[in-house]
Amino acid sequence: EVQLVESGGGLVKPGGSLRLSCLASGFPFSIYSMNWVRQAPGKGPEWVSSISSDSSYIYYGDSVKGRFTISRDNAKHSLYLQMNSLRGEDTAVYYCARDDYGIDWGQGTLVTVSS
Amino acid sequence: EIVMTQSPVTLSVSPGERATLSCRASQGVSSSLAWYQQKPGQAPRLLIHGASTRATGLPARFSGSGSGTDFTLTISSLQSEDFAVYYCQQYNNWPFTFGPGTTVDIK
Repeated sequence: EVQLVESGGGLVKPGGSLRLSCLASGFPFSIYSMNWVRQAPGKGPEWVSSISSDSSYIYYGDSVKGRFTISRDNAKHSLYLQMNSLRGEDTAVYYCARDDYGIDWGQGTLVTVSS
Repeated sequence: EIVMTQSPVTLSVSPGERATLSCRASQGVSSSLAWYQQKPGQAPRLLIHGASTRATGLPARFSGSGSGTDFTLTISSLQSEDFAVYYCQQYNNWPFTFGPGTTVDIK
């Protein structure tokens, strides 16, 4: 059974930092691109960042470029998102998703940016 | 950035009826189009990828069609569990983008 389990969310003040993690199991993690997708309260999903299977290709949405960094550790079956300079508009549930068309999604982790 | 639009915003349908949802891309995305279903408090669930390929285990009442800029998701006979929000997403060009969604509710 495929499982994606996100962790690391929480309440942070504007300007602060958080590191999200996603632990994958049930599929050959090292051959799939992985992605972070977020969904603000009451809004539709927004694709945040993608990383290819070998980390050679990395993409960021304009809204997070220069502030967020995606990475992965294939040996640990883990995906990460380092989020710096957080803003109120970054408040959302953050999901990790497998492959470019989201074959599988985690349950999400809530990030709240507020003073 | 490719802008995705969906219509209608809300679709009111009786159980057993057919539902047809539309998605349009601001420029061609070939067949790199996915459809998702989302229920409150849950992550989106992949229904269709490649514009017309059903996800593993998806009932045959769901079908997708189209290529280029115009796409359709059809639910042939709505069941109670199908009332939800549906999103399309293009993955042909980065940044991948979602449509604003269509809510399918009970008539």
